[in-house]
Amino acid sequence: DGGITQSPKYLFRKEGQNVTLSCEQNLNHDAMYWYRQDPGQGLRLIYYSQIVNDFQKGDIAEGYSVSREKKESFPLTVTSAQKNPTAFYLCASSPGTGELGQPQHFGDGTRLSIL
Amino acid sequence: ILNVEQSPQSLHVQEGDSTNFTCSFPSSNFYALHWYRWETAKSPEALFVMTLNGDEKKKGRISATLNTKEGYSYLYIKGSQPEDSATYLCAFRAGNQFYFGTGTSLTVIP
Repeated sequence: DGGITQSPKYLFRKEGQNVTLSCEQNLNHDAMYWYRQDPGQGLRLIYYSQIVNDFQKGDIAEGYSVSREKKESFPLTVTSAQKNPTAFYLCASSPGTGELGQPQHFGDGTRLSIL
Repeated sequence: ILNVEQSPQSLHVQEGDSTNFTCSFPSSNFYALHWYRWETAKSPEALFVMTLNGDEKKKGRISATLNTKEGYSYLYIKGSQPEDSATYLCAFRAGNQFYFGTGTSLTVIP
């Protein structure tokens, strides 16, 4: 069954620690995205990648880092520089950024909390 | 950061009622407008992707229209059912980035 897998579902982080959220897709999609959701706000784009070994900052990239070494994987690291990391994180993919008629496919999300 | 607004924020309707929501977005630099349905504890599911002004899309009892010149899209649900209860998100695509509204939370009362 094709889809996007995010792990873990819940994650707790101590102050000053980096933490990495996993996102894997088996849809053979070129483009992948990371979003953050806070209460009362829409999904906001953190980073996106159009192709392996390439990624671009979204509107709220500060305090986050990503890598795209494989087509299937787009992990997000929340660094200690992110001052307010408690949020719900969603990963998405789409066939390619040039295909305007294609929707995004989403994972189930990871909820990150600070201890 | 582009502003995408959805209204109403929440809606309660009786089973069988028809309803509609609005998504407002910038009228410039338009690439596409997406609608998603997001049920609690599940991942968002795509309903429609609309790319042309005047587009009308339909899937069962749900339909959507698009006006890119004035910057709005309507989502209609005919004869609402309890299983339609969810949050409906719209996303405006500008280039390679997507800007989401805060969603309309629909509750259908049996």
